Amino acid sequence: QKEVEQDPGPLSVPEGAIVSLNCTYSNSAFQYFMWYRQYSRKGPELLMYTYSSGNKEDGRFTAQVDKSSKYISLFIRDSQPSDSATYLCAMRTKNTGNQFYFGTGTSLTVIP
Amino acid sequence: DAGVIQSPRHEVTEMGQEVTLRCKPISGHNSLFWYRQTMMRGLELLIYFNNNVPIDDSGMPEDRFSAKMPNASFSTLKIQPSEPRDSAVYFCASRWTANQPQHFGDGTRLSIL
Repeated sequence: QKEVEQDPGPLSVPEGAIVSLNCTYSNSAFQYFMWYRQYSRKGPELLMYTYSSGNKEDGRFTAQVDKSSKYISLFIRDSQPSDSATYLCAMRTKNTGNQFYFGTGTSLTVIP
Repeated sequence: DAGVIQSPRHEVTEMGQEVTLRCKPISGHNSLFWYRQTMMRGLELLIYFNNNVPIDDSGMPEDRFSAKMPNASFSTLKIQPSEPRDSAVYFCASRWTANQPQHFGDGTRLSIL
């Protein structure tokens, strides 16, 4: 079983829709959770960084962590064509700061 | 602020040739990571440096791969000899401290023919 599971999609939504992206994980020691956005032929760009459980909001983006279910989500409100990209979740434990575990990414297309 | 800078952006070479990928981390960042990304396996950590010292190279696939960080502003990843299965996008990332996330460069797209 992989440490981090992420549905690869592809996901296609109309402009203005609410998008929900999800990852599940198996290691209960994960405490730091990240979402990266990766445009085609570019490097991953950090979107959200959260510690432990709860919600974090930044503009149209909300990151949610449910440690009891080992489940994290990224919500995008009022999606725009510029949100079309691959979204990667990543996580690590408190003690192994060098080992980040990445999902394989979900490809999102927002149709104008 | 300048981000992580990688060169070259694209490299196409024949099997058996030596390949050298270069990375300049963000100034002031203490840790540097080399990753490989493929469709099948996603992002895989190859090696991690802290204060220019290699800490964890368990992800380096074979002895054909080597990495150096001679100073705080430069690192190289070398493949010698290269093989077609090494074809992938190689990313370099850096971070300031252990509790901070990584910042990635735009990668080197490597094709071994």
